[in-house]
Amino acid sequence: RKEVEQDPGPFNVPEGATVAFNCTYSNSASQSFFWYRQDCRKEPKLLMSVYSSGNEDGRFTAQLNRASQYISLLIRDSKLSDSATYLCVAVGVTGGGNKLTFGTGTQLKVEL
Amino acid sequence: EAGVTQSPTHLIKTRGQQATLRCSPISGHTSVYWYQQALGLGLQFLLWYDEGEERNRGNFPPRFSGRQFPNYSSELNVNALELEDSALYLCASTGAYEQYFGPGTRLTVT
Repeated sequence: RKEVEQDPGPFNVPEGATVAFNCTYSNSASQSFFWYRQDCRKEPKLLMSVYSSGNEDGRFTAQLNRASQYISLLIRDSKLSDSATYLCVAVGVTGGGNKLTFGTGTQLKVEL
Repeated sequence: EAGVTQSPTHLIKTRGQQATLRCSPISGHTSVYWYQQALGLGLQFLLWYDEGEERNRGNFPPRFSGRQFPNYSSELNVNALELEDSALYLCASTGAYEQYFGPGTRLTVT
């Protein structure tokens, strides 16, 4: 089983739709979580952190469910420019320090 | 504030050669992480350097190595290149937990 798992998609949604991605993690000791966005052939860019109480940044909402070991990302009012791959990240502490484990990403395509 | 920088942008090598990739972290960051992202695959952790020391490495053979300099910039060396080493190599520097990525070096091995 992968440490961080995501549905690869693609999720094809019309402009203006609401779309949600889930990501599950296997290490219950993971301490921090993030969502990154990666455009084709570009580097990942930090989208938002994920807090236990849930957090919102404009049209984006992130949630953490520690009991079920998953995090989610909700995008409201999708824009064409939201088309990208969304990577979830779990951070665990090991003997070698912080270990960031990336999911393989969920591809989103927003269409007219 | 300048972000993470990497050079070169593209690198073409032949099988068996050596490649050297460079990274400069965000000013004030002391940790540098290296990742490999092969086409269609996720980010695979390669190496972590902090304060000039190698702190951790991923499941890669010893021909992947590197170092970190006193100014916290870093170098990734890949010896005896193989065709499957063709990938985007990303460097990231870290804040508290989050990481900020450079634009990457696209290595092509022919």
